[in-house]
Amino acid sequence: DAGVIQSPRHEVTEMGQEVTLRCKPISGHNSLFWYRQTMMRGLELLIYFNNNVPIDDSGMPEDRFSAKMPNASFSTLKIQPSEPRDSAVYFCASSPRGSANEKLFFGSGTQLSVL
Amino acid sequence: AQSVTQLGSHVSVSEGALVLLRCNYSSSVPPYLFWYVQYPNQGLQLLLKYTSAATLVKGINGFEAEFKKSETSFHLTKPSAHMSDAAEYFCAVSEGFTGGGNKLTFGTGTQLKVEL
Repeated sequence: DAGVIQSPRHEVTEMGQEVTLRCKPISGHNSLFWYRQTMMRGLELLIYFNNNVPIDDSGMPEDRFSAKMPNASFSTLKIQPSEPRDSAVYFCASSPRGSANEKLFFGSGTQLSVL
Repeated sequence: AQSVTQLGSHVSVSEGALVLLRCNYSSSVPPYLFWYVQYPNQGLQLLLKYTSAATLVKGINGFEAEFKKSETSFHLTKPSAHMSDAAEYFCAVSEGFTGGGNKLTFGTGTQLKVEL
């Protein structure tokens, strides 16, 4: 299994531009998570999908952030317009059933730099 | 809401010495607890998890953790540190969503440095 695949690995953009991060979860996994990691705030859960349906998006910072999961094998996280404070590493993770005692499988992350 | 507190953002040990990384949790229900490790430029990987079966949990790479309800702790230990253990370690607690699924809340992480 290829694991959770994220693209791009690195993204450098200018303030005001639209940024789209992509994630392919492990085949057969029903739950997908987007996390953001920064030095100041650590790992924050942004949004969580179960069976392609957003269950909790309370961690999404503001309306500039949006996430979609059009099918079981693909999800996107979009920032429009981007700001320098959005610079962080964004991780996608998936789990088989989304049970509370399951482990999460993480992708390698997207390092986003907004200039 | 559940939370975890990791004491010490940086821990330094000598190779061959005991590793002890501290984690305390707050939970209104019996928790599920996890330790994850993150190597540079990589995503997080599960080291071990506590799911109420046994209080002493053994994980990969010689790590183990003991769940102590009376102390609300889940400290991570390894008898003898190796250079390859240098990484950032995260403690996490899981709570269920009403609609199903889980929400993993992470601590702020402890950076482990192993010196010769």
